[in-house]
Amino acid sequence: GAGVSQSPSNKVTEKGKDVELRCDPISGHTALYWYRQSLGQGLEFLIYFQGNSAPDKSGLPSDRFSAERTGGSVSTLTIQRTQQEDSAVYLCASSLEGTSGRYEQFFGPGTRLTVL
Amino acid sequence: GNSVTQMEGPVTLSEEAFLTINCTYTATGYPSLFWYVQYPGEGLQLLLKATKADDKGSNKGFEATYRKETTSFHLEKGSVQVSDSAVYFCALKLNTGFQKLVFGTGTRLLVSP
Repeated sequence: GAGVSQSPSNKVTEKGKDVELRCDPISGHTALYWYRQSLGQGLEFLIYFQGNSAPDKSGLPSDRFSAERTGGSVSTLTIQRTQQEDSAVYLCASSLEGTSGRYEQFFGPGTRLTVL
Repeated sequence: GNSVTQMEGPVTLSEEAFLTINCTYTATGYPSLFWYVQYPGEGLQLLLKATKADDKGSNKGFEATYRKETTSFHLEKGSVQVSDSAVYFCALKLNTGFQKLVFGTGTRLLVSP
């Protein structure tokens, strides 16, 4: 595809339910990032994948959050037992690679999550 | 720690007015600095960047100069258009290996005809 795609674009769920958010990075990009955009909080880093290396999970806010990246391509962010404070726009980005810091991150349109 | 502070919005201007959106940063090393823009209904896009002190990033009539002495990276445009209405995010990234982007809270710009 031409850019990073994310699905669903909108997700409304009830408190306590689990949700899965999907990201398809740009083909050939080895680095993938998840960020969260909360009202009044700006964008916060959540997790980073680089190739087959162990992910950097330093930004995940709690153990209810986890992410996988299968086959070095598609990534799924899972939030278990959602809480109202999880309501935010979840953004995925990818770059050609991440370890050198030289390459631009390209962002997807985001998934807006609303927890009722 | 590393952080970015940018002016609160919304910033409301008339078309052809001069724009400044202030951004200052705190970093433990020597970061690269970025401005990202988010147009309504679209994803975040890189607008411009600067990788070292005194560099000037520019794109689409927007400019920002990396000022190490004032730890600032203010965004400017001489004559804004209605189509510039968007949310602008200042961000930094350290240049050593993988480093996450650290964003400011964003500034909404509204340009009226």
